[in-house]
Amino acid sequence: QSALTQPPSASGSPGQSVTISCTGTSSDVGGYNYVSWYQQHPGKAPKLMIYEVSKRPSGVPDRFSGSKSGNTASLTVSGLQAEDEADYYCSSYAGSNNFYVFGTGTKVTVL
Amino acid sequence: QLQLQESGPGLVKPSETLSLTCTVSGGSISSSSYYWGWIRQPPGKGLEWIGSIYYSGSTYYNPSLKSRVTISVDTSKNQFSLKLSSVTAADTAVYYCARQGLGYCSGGSCYSTSWYFDLWGRGTLVTVSS
Repeated sequence: QSALTQPPSASGSPGQSVTISCTGTSSDVGGYNYVSWYQQHPGKAPKLMIYEVSKRPSGVPDRFSGSKSGNTASLTVSGLQAEDEADYYCSSYAGSNNFYVFGTGTKVTVL
Repeated sequence: QLQLQESGPGLVKPSETLSLTCTVSGGSISSSSYYWGWIRQPPGKGLEWIGSIYYSGSTYYNPSLKSRVTISVDTSKNQFSLKLSSVTAADTAVYYCARQGLGYCSGGSCYSTSWYFDLWGRGTLVTVSS
């Protein structure tokens, strides 16, 4: 069961946008609309930010948006704020053998 | 509101069995239709899904851990538990319990219809060392 591939780091200035990619295969990201994204601040539990590719849970700012094209999903954070500095993990359903897989994680820095 | 809390030993010896319990408060495991899961994170590393369980006892396991993992549910105590056998230093991690999405049962089998975790416990660090 291989982890989904994310860039190790991404950055942007306050007010700018940053996009994080999450690359899998046709057996996970590309095969199902079950991609989700989590934000994790140091020492804290992950927080669900996006589920089912582009849906936002109640309380998550609309600055966070998700999309998918083929085997790659993306998370965009618009209007970057200092509190957006965190690690971000994607995840996906991976079929009836592997079930669920996380991405390698991306550290977002607000410059 | 619904809360999850992990509990269990913080130190386990190599080759022994790691045992953790997640207590759900503010709601009933058995009256809902959610799956409940375990996820771990080694220090400084990424997240790894361990497995999930429905209130009926139906389970999904990470195939890479399946031979060592048992997840069970005790609806009378509103708890679900994790056992990981034959641990090594590589099993040292923060272990999280979390609520997964909805599931259903049909024809004697149960299935998850939602693959994301929307509510997490704070996590508990388990160190494997002699």
